[in-house]
Amino acid sequence: GENVEQHPSTLSVQEGDSAVIKCTYSDSASNYFPWYKQELGKGPQLIIDIRSNVGEKKDQRIAVTLNKTAKHFSLHITETQPEDSAVYFCAASISFTGGGNKLTFGTGTQLKVEL
Amino acid sequence: DAMVIQNPRYQVTQFGKPVTLSCSQTLNHNVMYWYQQKSSQAPKLLFHYYDKDFNNEADTPDNFQSRRPNTSFCFLDIRSPGLGDAAMYLCATSYTGVLHEQYFGPGTRLTVT
Repeated sequence: GENVEQHPSTLSVQEGDSAVIKCTYSDSASNYFPWYKQELGKGPQLIIDIRSNVGEKKDQRIAVTLNKTAKHFSLHITETQPEDSAVYFCAASISFTGGGNKLTFGTGTQLKVEL
Repeated sequence: DAMVIQNPRYQVTQFGKPVTLSCSQTLNHNVMYWYQQKSSQAPKLLFHYYDKDFNNEADTPDNFQSRRPNTSFCFLDIRSPGLGDAAMYLCATSYTGVLHEQYFGPGTRLTVT
């Protein structure tokens, strides 16, 4: 089955700096790569995603890149703010035959933005 | 606002006492998922429904069952909770098609005493 590795497990940055989180996946059949932000005691919130036919996508301060050949994808957050502090999960998705898709999550990155 | 709702947010049950967690959605999505998330770990898929078709993950224990009486509602039944079943249980939905986004509810924190 799919295996997703995520690094680093913890990341501390100063407010205004950039943060980068990297993931690798193993199954070339994965075709969709979402990123989720999870605050303490809450469900994961989809913040950005990228499909396998796209190399880069940007939404305001957040960007994702995908290298299908190397099976790498990354999340970039610029101009970090204290409210960006949370756990971030990457995921790789494979479509189910009957409908829907299976998300395999990375192990998570605890991002702390310090004042 | 369209959303995924989970009730209750916190549930305490005794060892071996059956418990049911509920999920409802106003997104009209045809796929619903149940995930288990233990402390400081990633969510792990237990099973999903595509319309009324139930699909179990191979490593989901038999102790976990699910029901989906209609498009909007889905239930997670834990027949005999053990201490190791204490976790956050997350419901998610998606719509089959070109888009694959899964939207999660706020979760139910289950404690087993």
